[in-house]
Amino acid sequence: DQQVKQNSPSLSVQEGRISILNCDYTNSMFDYFLWYKKYPAEGPTFLISISSIKDKNEDGRFTVFLNKSAKHLSLHIVPSQPGDSAVYFCAATPRGSNYKLTFGKGTLLTVNP
Amino acid sequence: ETGVTQSPTHLIKTRGQQVTLRCSSQSGHNTVSWYQQALGQGPQFIFQYYREEENGRGNFPPRFSGLQFPNYSSELNVNALELDDSALYLCASSLGGEGGYEQYFGPGTRLTVT
Repeated sequence: DQQVKQNSPSLSVQEGRISILNCDYTNSMFDYFLWYKKYPAEGPTFLISISSIKDKNEDGRFTVFLNKSAKHLSLHIVPSQPGDSAVYFCAATPRGSNYKLTFGKGTLLTVNP
Repeated sequence: ETGVTQSPTHLIKTRGQQVTLRCSSQSGHNTVSWYQQALGQGPQFIFQYYREEENGRGNFPPRFSGLQFPNYSSELNVNALELDDSALYLCASSLGGEGGYEQYFGPGTRLTVT
């Protein structure tokens, strides 16, 4: 049973527009959420995170929104750039869990020039 | 500051053999986690080591074992390899304790079992 779901395997956007990547979770014990970006032949790179006590966290072009009642989070990238083309993973962890991360299957984002 | 490194990059083994994968954690990090990423899937947690002790384990059989050394580098050992063990094995380091949830990944070792 997948506890973290990324239902869109792929997303294509034009350069300069907004990219919105979505993630749903089922485990109500999750209380910290992270987004990772992965290029081919590289390990995942930490992008941005959010604690369950917040509903928004912003870092430059990247913003993560958390809707706890819907068990849903999203990553917004504005403006999107061709270098953002990668696989994006959503991950979650419960408090005090030794920080074991549970990942979704990922969404391949393609930003077209 | 050096990042997380893993060796080897690629490895081909035969079913039933044993394999050892290695990881050097990022400078200043005392915690190492190992993940298995099968094709088309997200990384799956295998186990974590904090200050040389196992600090949590995912749903993997005992033939997956590990070690962490005093310099916080780590090994993942897999015995009696099966075809389904073919995957990308990722090592991630972090501060552990109250250091935060962010984990920093190495480039991975691609293991193929034939």
